[in-house]
Amino acid sequence: QSALTQPASVSGSPGQSITISCTGTSSDVGSYNLVSWYQQHPGKAPKLMIYEGSKRPSGVSNRFSGSKSGNTASLTISGLQAEDEADYYCCSYAGSSTFYVFGTGTKVTVL
Amino acid sequence: EVQLVQSGAEVKKPGESLKISCKGSGYSFTSYWIGWVRQMPGKGLEWMGIIYPGDSDTRYSPSFQGQVTISADKSISTAYLQWSSLKASDTAMYYCARREGSGIWVWFDPWGQGTLVTVSS
Repeated sequence: QSALTQPASVSGSPGQSITISCTGTSSDVGSYNLVSWYQQHPGKAPKLMIYEGSKRPSGVSNRFSGSKSGNTASLTISGLQAEDEADYYCCSYAGSSTFYVFGTGTKVTVL
Repeated sequence: EVQLVQSGAEVKKPGESLKISCKGSGYSFTSYWIGWVRQMPGKGLEWMGIIYPGDSDTRYSPSFQGQVTISADKSISTAYLQWSSLKASDTAMYYCARREGSGIWVWFDPWGQGTLVTVSS
């Protein structure tokens, strides 16, 4: 099972919106709306931002939203802020042999 | 507060054994799966395996099957990740995380702070 494909980097100016894609196959992302998204600041542990494709945990800003189309899930950050600069990873269930697979990761830069 | 606290950084030589830990608190430890994730220096997250402390049911990623052993001691709410013979390529940060949800609708939250393992001669 290969890692889900994410763009290596995405950038935007403060206040703008950016979207990070996460492309899998019909065996993982395409079969289920199960993608979760994690934010990781340098030297820190990952933090859950989105689960079940589009749900936000308590305490996560509503500037973060998730969606899916076909085999691609997306994380959108609206009203980009300096504190959003971090690495972002998607994760999907990938069947009963592999179980879970992470995306390749995307570095978000706030210009 | 739900919390996972991992053991401290380790420096080991190739061929040595190692067991790192992840202690859960603030919830029923036996009712949630605990997963382990590797992050090699400058690289992304890799899912290694998962254990259900209630009955020690364990599943491994095919990439890590036979390379590591995942276990748990429910009496002290602690999960473990161990190696019998470390290699330099095992140098990485290792995270534990609680699996939320059920069936195939799952996600990982919270995460431990990470344990840095350095293997060098």
